[in-house]
Amino acid sequence: AQSVSQHNHHVILSEAASLELGCNYSYGGTVNLFWYVQYPGQHLQLLLKYFSGDPLVKGIKGFEAEFIKSKFSFNLRKPSVQWSDTAEYFCAVNAYTGFQKLVFGTGTRLLVSP
Amino acid sequence: SQTIHQWPATLVQPVGSPLSLECTVEGTSNPNLYWYRQAAGRGLQLLFYSVGIGQISSEVPQNLSASRPQDRQFILSSKKLLLSDSGFYLCAWSVQSGANVLTFGAGSRLTVL
Repeated sequence: AQSVSQHNHHVILSEAASLELGCNYSYGGTVNLFWYVQYPGQHLQLLLKYFSGDPLVKGIKGFEAEFIKSKFSFNLRKPSVQWSDTAEYFCAVNAYTGFQKLVFGTGTRLLVSP
Repeated sequence: SQTIHQWPATLVQPVGSPLSLECTVEGTSNPNLYWYRQAAGRGLQLLFYSVGIGQISSEVPQNLSASRPQDRQFILSSKKLLLSDSGFYLCAWSVQSGANVLTFGAGSRLTVL
């Protein structure tokens, strides 16, 4: 079965710092990859997704993620974070095997100090 | 547009009492429906999913059950709650075809005392 690892559980940054959150998955076949974000007091919402094509995908609010198939990774990046980026970020993988279930990582709590 | 509703938003129940959390989706037909539990430090754990009325698949053995009595209604239940059932429960839906882009509800926070 597929699994997702997010190695950074808590990240604290100052505004304008660069962000990279790691995500690795375990599945050798075709996958769809996602980053979801949960802002304080809000619904879990889609940040960006990768289905196929260009491995560098751009999402909302200046976030981007790069799919590196050889490394089984889908790291999330943002060149300059803002206080409003404070949230919990979840990486998820959907493997093309049977029913397509979305498997989530444990999440990373990002705190951006003004 | 599609919307997803969950209720109640917050629930405090004694050990041994029953549970019923409801989720409904509007604006779409024949969705895939999901129940996830979110626990601190453990991410989102898939509990149940459904591809149609009366069709329920369980991901983990537990004290909970799910039912789908109508196309756009998904219910999470328990006959007797345990302390370990406390958590934040999220309902989600996706379209049947194509890749799984899930849309989540606001969640139901359950505290078992």
